[in-house]
Amino acid sequence: EVQLLESGGGLVQPGESLRLSCAASGFTFSSNAMNWVRQAPGKGLEWVSVIGGRGGSAHYADSVKGRFTISRDNSKNTLYLQMNSLRADDTAVYYCAKERDAFDMWGQGTMVTVSS
Amino acid sequence: QAGLTQPPSVSKGLRQTATLTCTGNSNNVGNQGAAWLQQHQGHPPKLLSYRNNKRPSGIAERFSASRSGNTASLTITGLQPEDEADYYCSAWDSSLSAWVFGGGTKLTVV
Repeated sequence: EVQLLESGGGLVQPGESLRLSCAASGFTFSSNAMNWVRQAPGKGLEWVSVIGGRGGSAHYADSVKGRFTISRDNSKNTLYLQMNSLRADDTAVYYCAKERDAFDMWGQGTMVTVSS
Repeated sequence: QAGLTQPPSVSKGLRQTATLTCTGNSNNVGNQGAAWLQQHQGHPPKLLSYRNNKRPSGIAERFSASRSGNTASLTITGLQPEDEADYYCSAWDSSLSAWVFGGGTKLTVV
């Protein structure tokens, strides 16, 4: 069974950093691009970042470019999102999503709250 | 990054047919096609269709998708109470090198 399990969310102050993790199981992790997608409270889905299966290519939404870094460790079947210089508008549930032509599998999400 | 355009809400009766639309441009919907996701309150999204009209295993045939030019559509026939949810379209934008989403359509089954 394909499973994605996010962790690392929490309450941080503006300007602080946080690293999210997404543990994958049930599929060949290194064969799939992986994404982070977020959803602010009461709002729609916003794509954040994608990384290729081998980790060689990554793309970011303009809203996080220069502040967030996506990475993966295929030996551990784990996806990461390093979030620096966090702002109040980064407050959201962060989902990791497996990509196969589309976002075909999602984790349950981890909540990130940025507030003083 | 510019997103895709969806109507904020659609309301239909039980057992009726609902058609949701998603408009993009030639760099996203018109090029790569669109995918559709369903999200119930408090749950992660679930993929309903991709590449315009392919359904993942386990998705009912009541859900069908299509595309005409830069507009994608999701048609849900025989509406059931459990179809009441938010529906999002998504597409890869080749000019932005980014995924883009629609703002979502809240489907109400009355």
